[in-house]
Amino acid sequence: GAGVSQSPRYKVAKRGQDVALRCDPISGHVSLFWYQQALGQGPEFLTYFQNEAQLDKSGLPSDRFFAERPEGSVSTLKIQRTQQEDSAVYLCASSLVAGVISWGQFFGPGTRLTVL
Amino acid sequence: KQEVTQIPAALSVPEGENLVLNCSFTDSAIYNLQWFRQDPGKGLTSLLLIQSSQREQTSGRLNASLDKSSGRSTLYIAASQPGDSATYLCAPDYNQGGKLIFGQGTELSVKP
Repeated sequence: GAGVSQSPRYKVAKRGQDVALRCDPISGHVSLFWYQQALGQGPEFLTYFQNEAQLDKSGLPSDRFFAERPEGSVSTLKIQRTQQEDSAVYLCASSLVAGVISWGQFFGPGTRLTVL
Repeated sequence: KQEVTQIPAALSVPEGENLVLNCSFTDSAIYNLQWFRQDPGKGLTSLLLIQSSQREQTSGRLNASLDKSSGRSTLYIAASQPGDSATYLCAPDYNQGGKLIFGQGTELSVKP
């Protein structure tokens, strides 16, 4: 596709349920990022992949959060035993890095997670 | 700690005005800086990317400048239109293609 796609667009979970959020990056983009955006705030970094390697997971708020990108393309963000504080929009972005130049990040529409 | 501040937090202007949105960042060792637009309930749309070696970038009615040494960037919007109403976010890249650090954004409302 032409842009980054995410699914589902909306997810409602009961507290304690596990959820899985999917991201399809722009074809050919090596880098993939996950961000969390609370209402009225800017996005906050969660984790970053280059191809299938997870290079930075410093932003994951707890060990209930897990991300993978096994074939270096599609990525899944999994949240186990969801809590109300996990309610947020989860944004995925991809980018093309050539040598020392980054050409910027391109974002998907996000998945709005509501935990009841 | 690397922090990004955007001023003002909200701005309401009549249609046709020229306006400036400000972004400041605490650490000047950036590789590039990106400006985004976010419409309610949507993802982020990239507007402009300025590499650290550049002073400004232009796209249509938008012009972004970068003063790396003072830790500031501005987004200039000429002849504003109601369709420009959105939240504008700036994000410096400190990691050469790694994570972006975002400010809280400026919520712009352009009244017809």
